[in-house]
Amino acid sequence: GQNIDQPTEMTATEGAIVQINCTYQTSGFNGLFWYQQHAGEAPTFLSYNVLDGLEEKGRFSSFLSRSKGYSYLLLKELQMKDSASYLCAVRADDYKLSFGAGTTVTVRA
Amino acid sequence: GAGVSQSPSNKVTEKGKDVELRCDPISGHTALYWYRQSLGQGLEFLIYFQGNSAPDKSGLPSDRFSAERTGGSVSTLTIQRTQQEDSAVYLCASSHPGLNQPQHFGDGTRLSIL
Repeated sequence: GQNIDQPTEMTATEGAIVQINCTYQTSGFNGLFWYQQHAGEAPTFLSYNVLDGLEEKGRFSSFLSRSKGYSYLLLKELQMKDSASYLCAVRADDYKLSFGAGTTVTVRA
Repeated sequence: GAGVSQSPSNKVTEKGKDVELRCDPISGHTALYWYRQSLGQGLEFLIYFQGNSAPDKSGLPSDRFSAERTGGSVSTLTIQRTQQEDSAVYLCASSHPGLNQPQHFGDGTRLSIL
């Protein structure tokens, strides 16, 4: 089976930086995805990593180390609208994604 | 529409009844996926379609669950003789083929079994 771990909850202040870690043990690896999900809404795609290193996209960055089975999502200049659940997902084979349970981020004023 | 559309958005039914959930993928997306999301748990893979074929049905929890896709577009997920443990949000996603292609999700159907 696939094992994907991420913290359950994180709290940060508006304007600050938060780093959400994800560790994985999977039978294969064809990329790691991060999604954002607001309560009652669809998960929306944030980032994709397949090679080691940092991918930056505006206020959001995602890092991958394949040798360590580790990724993080970095959210900078936090805004109230960033309060959501963040899902780490690994594509272990050719199609389906295996998801972590999600990290609920609460941004406080 | 531009995104993945699912209906109904909410469904409440009695234990033992059959339910049918519908998914309209993004136009041109050949791959379609069904997941289930229970409170406090990660998304659980149910089934994958490439075109009208389902090469992987391994995630379906029991033989009460079935799914089909017609015309390479709309898909329906059917749950027969529903049980309380079937209560969850059922999410559909679609994508272009390719390992780096993200899956785009619908808002889901919230299913409650009384």
